[in-house]
Amino acid sequence: GIQVEQSPPDLILQEGANSTLRCNFSDSVNNLQWFHQNPWGQLINLFYIPSGTKQNGRLSATTVATERYSLLYISSSQTTDSGVYFCAAERTGRRALTFGSGTRLQVQP
Amino acid sequence: NAGVTQTPKFQVLKTGQSMTLQCAQDMNHEYMSWYRQDPGMGLRLIHYSVGAGITDQGEVPNGYNVSRSTTEDFPLRLLSAAPSQTSVYFCASSYARAAYNSPLHFGNGTRLTVT
Repeated sequence: GIQVEQSPPDLILQEGANSTLRCNFSDSVNNLQWFHQNPWGQLINLFYIPSGTKQNGRLSATTVATERYSLLYISSSQTTDSGVYFCAAERTGRRALTFGSGTRLQVQP
Repeated sequence: NAGVTQTPKFQVLKTGQSMTLQCAQDMNHEYMSWYRQDPGMGLRLIHYSVGAGITDQGEVPNGYNVSRSTTEDFPLRLLSAAPSQTSVYFCASSYARAAYNSPLHFGNGTRLTVT
């Protein structure tokens, strides 16, 4: 199946700092999504982004499908951004999203 | 609009017992799926369905059964619980007709402990 690797595994930021999270995938995809799992365990969809760039407030994401990676940018981080960020990819022709192991982000005041 | 609803929120089972985790969605999504999340790990796909009457296996299907008799419901059955099935279980749904612009929506999870 498709391999999804995320980096870095852990990240500690001071409030107000910017960060970039990376997701590499091993195969052609028709579906790439980013999720945030908050400290209470809820999974929130951030972006559906199989290609191109999207922005939502302080968050933006870019997927370069031909080079098999996606980036999630967090600007002016806040303590509420803390949690685990997951990337998930679905190989073309399959209907099964495969998740990476996540990046655990801690934003300190 | 309740979204994806999972019940129960918590469950403790003894080894060998069976039970059903319930999942319902009210968004008219064709695609539904079950994932398990073990401590410090990502989510692994157990089973999924692209519509009523259609199910397929994911990455870790052993020990679990599913059926999809309606669009709204996708229950997950543990046939004979084992300690290795201790985990947090998430149900998720999305539109299936087109893969494009189909974000996955998750329920709040069921925390299962098997003793």
